[in-house]
Amino acid sequence: KAGVTQTPRYLIKTRGQQVTLSCSPISGHRSVSWYQQTPGQGLQFLFEYFSETQRNKGNFPGRFSGRQFSNSRSEMNVSTLELGDSALYLCASSLGLVGAQYFGPGTRLLVL
Amino acid sequence: QQPVQSPQAVILREGEDAVINCSSSKALYSVHWYRQKHGEAPIFLMILLKGGEQKGHDKISASFNEKKQQSSLYLTASQLSYSGTYFCGTEMNAGNNRKLIWGLGTSLAVNP
Repeated sequence: KAGVTQTPRYLIKTRGQQVTLSCSPISGHRSVSWYQQTPGQGLQFLFEYFSETQRNKGNFPGRFSGRQFSNSRSEMNVSTLELGDSALYLCASSLGLVGAQYFGPGTRLLVL
Repeated sequence: QQPVQSPQAVILREGEDAVINCSSSKALYSVHWYRQKHGEAPIFLMILLKGGEQKGHDKISASFNEKKQQSSLYLTASQLSYSGTYFCGTEMNAGNNRKLIWGLGTSLAVNP
């Protein structure tokens, strides 16, 4: 089975812009979670989608949003980018809402 | 609420053993362990549920001490391939409402 894929792998944006990241889960997986990873804060949970519904949300501002499509693919959007949004954004898929998660390679976002 | 991992970093020679701890101040339902190599996605290792279980595969095993709210990851007879950063993710509640809170990671380097 193909693993979790994320596009794009690298992005450079400027403050104030918005960005959309995409995640394709492992075939058959219905849950997609998004995480932000930075050296200082580590892995921080953004949100989780299951069957096109957001099931859980972390402590991030409303500028961070996401959605999931009927084929389980998910997108994450960050509006009005700030310098502090520079990070590696990881998505992870799983069969359901419990159990192991399988991570994609991430999208590295640099905000200038 | 963020679990505390210790040590922050460890350097081993091939064949040596190591223990990585993950401690929480809150009562835990489960602990998830992942390893991430530089520039790669985190890889699932194992999940332990409350009840004090112990799991292992190959020469990597883990335990969960419910009384101490601590999980320990044991790496026995380390191999070069064990190098990477080990993360624990903790859940406080059971049920279909996963919200993992991650430690900052333990960097493990195994040298020949």
